[in-house]
Amino acid sequence: DTGVSQDPRHKITKRGQNVTFRCDPISEHNRLYWYRQTLGQGPEFLTYFQNEAQLEKSRLLSDRFSAERPKGSFSTLEIQRTEQGDSAMYLCASSSGAPGYGYTFGSGTRLTVV
Amino acid sequence: QKEVEQNSGPLSVPEGAIASLNCTYSDRVSQSFFWYRQYSGKSPELIMSIYSNGDKEDGRFTAQLNKASQYVSLLIRDSQPSDSATYLCAVNKNSGNTPLVFGKGTRLSVIA
Repeated sequence: DTGVSQDPRHKITKRGQNVTFRCDPISEHNRLYWYRQTLGQGPEFLTYFQNEAQLEKSRLLSDRFSAERPKGSFSTLEIQRTEQGDSAMYLCASSSGAPGYGYTFGSGTRLTVV
Repeated sequence: QKEVEQNSGPLSVPEGAIASLNCTYSDRVSQSFFWYRQYSGKSPELIMSIYSNGDKEDGRFTAQLNKASQYVSLLIRDSQPSDSATYLCAVNKNSGNTPLVFGKGTRLSVIA
């Protein structure tokens, strides 16, 4: 297993365009998390899945954001009508969900909205 | 009050010294605590977890937890320049059923 994979690594988009990111978790992990991180800040929780069920969404996640994990494996995060404030590193992480176990993060997708 | 607070630093220590990184949390029901290291431009990587009061050692790293004071710390012995990174404290409110909440991180600089 090569860990958590995210694609693309970098994305530059014009304001108003839609973007979609993909995350492939560690295969035996049933939990998948999306976080956003801006410079000088810690990761901020966006949403998470247990298998295909989306269990929690942050208030940070506006209506322009949607996430899916249709078969309980990979996940996608879509941002519609991007704004400059969406520029950030989008981090995906997975875990087994066992108490006391941390998350394994992917390399992240850096989004720049121009 | 922020849920997880860390001094943003930078914390500068000479090579070979002990670096002490601190974190406080606001929710008393928090049960699991994690330290992540993040190099510039990279994603966080897990260093240690702790969930019982006291010390937990792993190589040059020691995590300390005091639930009564709502305080968790990370000690790095024999600091090396390669330890220079941002250290993130993360807290789980209950037994893994809520997402980790991260602090802003403390930037550590180990000077050769």
